[in-house]
Amino acid sequence: EAGVTQFPSHSVIEKGQTVTLRCDPISGHDNLYWYRRVMGKEIKFLLHFVKESKQDESGMPNNRFLAERTGGTYSTLKVQPAELEDSGVYFCASSHDNRGPGETQYFGPGTRLLVL
Amino acid sequence: KQEVTQIPAALSVPEGENLVLNCSFTDSAIYNLQWFRQDPGKGLTSLLLIQSSQREQTSGRLNASLDKSSGRSTLYIAASQPGDSATYLCAVKNSWGKLQFGAGTQVVVTP
Repeated sequence: EAGVTQFPSHSVIEKGQTVTLRCDPISGHDNLYWYRRVMGKEIKFLLHFVKESKQDESGMPNNRFLAERTGGTYSTLKVQPAELEDSGVYFCASSHDNRGPGETQYFGPGTRLLVL
Repeated sequence: KQEVTQIPAALSVPEGENLVLNCSFTDSAIYNLQWFRQDPGKGLTSLLLIQSSQREQTSGRLNASLDKSSGRSTLYIAASQPGDSATYLCAVKNSWGKLQFGAGTQVVVTP
Protein backbone atom coordinates (compact mmCIF):
# COMPACT_ATOMS: atom_id res chain seq x y z
CA GLU A 1 0.00 0.00 0.00
CA ALA A 2 1.45 3.36 -1.00
CA GLY A 3 1.92 5.93 1.71
CA VAL A 4 1.14 9.62 1.66
CA THR A 5 2.96 11.30 -1.19
CA GLN A 6 3.75 14.97 -1.66
CA PHE A 7 4.95 16.95 -4.64
CA PRO A 8 7.28 18.69 -5.10
CA SER A 9 9.82 17.61 -2.53
CA HIS A 10 11.52 21.01 -2.72
CA SER A 11 10.52 24.38 -4.10
CA VAL A 12 12.52 27.59 -4.29
CA ILE A 13 10.60 30.68 -5.37
CA GLU A 14 10.92 34.43 -5.14
CA LYS A 15 8.82 36.60 -2.93
CA GLY A 16 5.58 37.49 -4.65
CA GLN A 17 5.41 34.35 -6.76
CA THR A 18 2.82 31.61 -6.49
CA VAL A 19 3.48 28.04 -5.42
CA THR A 20 1.15 25.06 -5.39
CA LEU A 21 1.86 22.04 -3.24
CA ARG A 22 0.16 18.72 -3.82
CA CYS A 23 -0.68 15.86 -1.47
CA ASP A 24 -1.97 12.41 -2.35
CA PRO A 25 -3.31 10.66 0.74
CA ILE A 26 -3.40 6.93 1.36
CA SER A 27 -6.14 5.41 -0.76
CA GLY A 28 -9.42 5.24 1.11
CA HIS A 29 -8.49 7.81 3.74
CA ASP A 30 -11.24 10.37 4.10
CA ASN A 31 -9.29 12.64 6.43
CA LEU A 32 -6.51 14.81 5.06
CA TYR A 33 -4.50 17.30 7.08
CA TRP A 34 -1.98 19.99 6.26
CA TYR A 35 0.69 21.02 8.76
CA ARG A 36 3.81 23.13 8.48
CA ARG A 37 7.03 23.70 10.33
CA VAL A 38 8.67 27.06 9.95
CA MET A 39 12.30 27.56 10.96
CA GLY A 40 12.91 27.01 14.63
CA LYS A 41 9.28 26.35 15.49
CA GLU A 42 7.21 23.28 16.17
CA ILE A 43 4.97 21.65 13.59
CA LYS A 44 1.63 23.44 13.47
CA PHE A 45 -1.75 22.48 12.13
CA LEU A 46 -3.11 24.33 9.10
CA LEU A 47 -6.34 22.62 8.11
CA HIS A 48 -8.33 19.42 7.96
CA PHE A 49 -10.47 17.99 5.17
CA VAL A 50 -13.07 15.29 5.53
CA LYS A 51 -13.49 14.05 2.00
CA GLU A 52 -13.85 17.24 -0.05
CA SER A 53 -15.13 19.43 2.79
CA LYS A 54 -13.04 21.67 5.02
CA GLN A 55 -13.67 20.49 8.56
CA ASP A 56 -11.30 22.84 10.33
CA GLU A 57 -9.22 25.61 8.80
CA SER A 58 -8.43 27.41 12.02
CA GLY A 59 -4.69 27.10 11.47
CA MET A 60 -4.51 28.81 8.09
CA PRO A 61 -2.33 31.89 8.65
CA ASN A 62 -4.02 34.30 6.24
CA ASN A 63 -5.91 34.57 2.97
CA ARG A 64 -2.79 34.08 0.90
CA PHE A 65 -3.21 30.37 1.55
CA LEU A 66 -5.85 28.40 -0.33
CA ALA A 67 -6.43 24.69 0.08
CA GLU A 68 -8.62 22.48 -2.04
CA ARG A 69 -9.41 18.81 -2.19
CA THR A 70 -10.86 17.81 -5.50
CA GLY A 71 -13.40 15.02 -5.32
CA GLY A 72 -12.15 13.99 -1.91
CA THR A 73 -8.94 12.57 -3.32
CA TYR A 74 -5.73 14.60 -3.63
CA SER A 75 -5.34 18.04 -2.13
CA THR A 76 -3.51 21.18 -3.18
CA LEU A 77 -2.24 24.05 -1.06
CA LYS A 78 -1.60 27.26 -2.94
CA VAL A 79 0.34 30.18 -1.55
CA GLN A 80 -0.25 33.40 -3.47
CA PRO A 81 1.67 35.66 -3.23
CA ALA A 82 4.43 33.96 -1.26
CA GLU A 83 6.22 35.89 1.48
CA LEU A 84 9.57 35.24 3.14
CA GLU A 85 7.92 33.98 6.33
CA ASP A 86 6.17 31.22 4.39
CA SER A 87 9.44 29.31 4.12
CA GLY A 88 9.39 26.01 5.90
CA VAL A 89 8.36 22.38 5.53
CA TYR A 90 4.76 21.63 4.63
CA PHE A 91 3.51 18.22 5.70
CA CYS A 92 0.41 16.39 4.65
CA ALA A 93 -1.15 13.59 6.68
CA SER A 94 -4.11 11.30 6.22
CA SER A 95 -6.21 8.97 8.31
CA HIS A 96 -9.06 6.59 7.76
CA ASP A 97 -11.44 7.38 10.61
CA ASN A 98 -10.78 10.16 13.12
CA ARG A 99 -13.90 9.80 15.21
CA GLY A 100 -12.23 7.79 17.92
CA PRO A 101 -9.13 8.00 20.09
CA GLY A 102 -7.40 5.32 18.06
CA GLU A 103 -6.86 7.48 15.00
CA THR A 104 -3.33 7.32 13.63
CA GLN A 105 -2.31 10.03 11.22
CA TYR A 106 0.16 8.97 8.54
CA PHE A 107 2.49 11.66 7.32
CA GLY A 108 4.05 12.34 3.96
CA PRO A 109 7.72 13.29 3.47
CA GLY A 110 6.93 16.99 3.28
CA THR A 111 7.60 19.78 0.80
CA ARG A 112 10.48 22.07 1.65
CA LEU A 113 9.58 25.59 0.55
CA LEU A 114 12.12 28.38 0.41
CA VAL A 115 10.97 31.89 -0.45
CA LEU A 116 13.78 34.26 -1.42
CA LYS B 1 -4.95 26.57 25.57
CA GLN B 2 -3.00 23.34 25.14
CA GLU B 3 0.78 23.54 25.32
CA VAL B 4 3.07 20.61 24.55
CA THR B 5 6.64 20.66 25.80
CA GLN B 6 9.50 18.26 25.21
CA ILE B 7 12.56 18.24 27.40
CA PRO B 8 15.44 18.00 26.74
CA ALA B 9 15.73 19.61 23.32
CA ALA B 10 18.77 17.48 22.57
CA LEU B 11 20.28 14.34 24.01
CA SER B 12 23.45 12.37 23.31
CA VAL B 13 24.05 8.89 24.69
CA PRO B 14 26.53 6.09 24.04
CA GLU B 15 25.29 3.01 22.25
CA GLY B 16 23.64 0.50 24.55
CA GLU B 17 22.24 3.00 27.02
CA ASN B 18 18.52 3.34 27.51
CA LEU B 19 16.86 6.49 26.21
CA VAL B 20 14.22 8.36 28.16
CA LEU B 21 12.33 11.12 26.35
CA ASN B 22 9.77 13.30 28.06
CA CYS B 23 6.64 15.03 26.83
CA SER B 24 4.33 17.18 28.93
CA PHE B 25 1.00 18.79 28.11
CA THR B 26 -1.10 21.30 29.98
CA ASP B 27 -4.66 20.19 29.15
CA SER B 28 -5.42 16.62 30.21
CA ALA B 29 -8.56 16.39 28.03
CA ILE B 30 -6.78 14.59 25.21
CA TYR B 31 -8.02 11.91 22.82
CA ASN B 32 -4.63 10.33 22.33
CA LEU B 33 -0.91 10.98 22.29
CA GLN B 34 1.30 9.92 19.43
CA TRP B 35 5.10 9.58 19.29
CA PHE B 36 6.84 10.16 15.98
CA ARG B 37 10.34 9.85 14.67
CA GLN B 38 11.78 12.21 12.06
CA ASP B 39 15.02 11.59 10.23
CA PRO B 40 16.83 14.54 8.62
CA GLY B 41 15.08 15.62 5.42
CA LYS B 42 12.40 12.97 5.85
CA GLY B 43 8.78 12.85 6.92
CA LEU B 44 7.34 11.72 10.21
CA THR B 45 7.12 8.04 11.10
CA SER B 46 4.54 7.07 13.68
CA LEU B 47 6.10 5.00 16.46
CA LEU B 48 3.40 4.53 19.07
CA LEU B 49 -0.09 5.82 19.75
CA ILE B 50 -1.53 5.77 23.26
CA GLN B 51 -5.25 6.28 23.58
CA SER B 52 -6.54 8.42 26.43
CA SER B 53 -7.85 5.33 28.24
CA GLN B 54 -4.51 3.53 28.07
CA ARG B 55 -1.49 3.75 30.34
CA GLU B 56 1.19 2.45 28.02
CA GLN B 57 2.00 0.96 24.64
CA THR B 58 4.94 -1.21 23.61
CA SER B 59 6.55 -2.05 20.32
CA GLY B 60 9.82 -3.93 20.29
CA ARG B 61 12.43 -1.87 22.16
CA LEU B 62 10.02 1.05 22.49
CA ASN B 63 7.68 1.66 25.38
CA ALA B 64 5.55 4.73 25.88
CA SER B 65 3.64 5.59 29.03
CA LEU B 66 0.85 8.08 29.55
CA ASP B 67 -0.24 9.78 32.77
CA LYS B 68 -3.11 12.06 31.87
CA SER B 69 -3.63 13.40 35.38
CA SER B 70 -0.11 14.78 35.53
CA GLY B 71 0.01 15.67 31.84
CA ARG B 72 3.03 13.54 31.02
CA SER B 73 4.17 10.91 28.59
CA THR B 74 7.53 9.17 28.49
CA LEU B 75 9.09 7.30 25.62
CA TYR B 76 11.65 4.66 26.59
CA ILE B 77 13.99 3.17 24.04
CA ALA B 78 15.91 0.21 25.38
CA ALA B 79 19.50 -0.59 24.43
CA SER B 80 19.92 2.33 22.07
CA GLN B 81 21.63 1.89 18.71
CA PRO B 82 23.22 4.43 16.33
CA GLY B 83 20.21 3.87 14.05
CA ASP B 84 18.01 5.38 16.75
CA SER B 85 19.57 8.78 16.09
CA ALA B 86 16.75 11.06 14.96
CA THR B 87 14.38 13.73 16.22
CA TYR B 88 11.53 12.39 18.33
CA LEU B 89 8.26 14.30 18.44
CA CYS B 90 5.21 13.88 20.60
CA ALA B 91 1.79 15.14 19.56
CA VAL B 92 -1.54 15.27 21.34
CA LYS B 93 -4.96 15.08 19.77
CA ASN B 94 -7.36 17.11 21.87
CA SER B 95 -10.10 18.02 19.47
CA TRP B 96 -11.70 16.40 16.48
CA GLY B 97 -8.72 15.83 14.24
CA LYS B 98 -5.77 18.12 14.60
CA LEU B 99 -2.56 17.21 16.36
CA GLN B 100 -0.58 19.60 18.49
CA PHE B 101 3.15 18.95 18.48
CA GLY B 102 6.01 19.52 20.84
CA ALA B 103 9.23 20.98 19.47
CA GLY B 104 10.98 17.61 19.57
CA THR B 105 14.04 16.03 21.15
CA GLN B 106 17.05 15.54 18.91
CA VAL B 107 18.78 12.28 19.83
CA VAL B 108 22.31 11.22 18.92
CA VAL B 109 23.49 7.72 19.78
CA THR B 110 27.25 7.44 19.53
CA PRO B 111 28.93 4.13 18.64
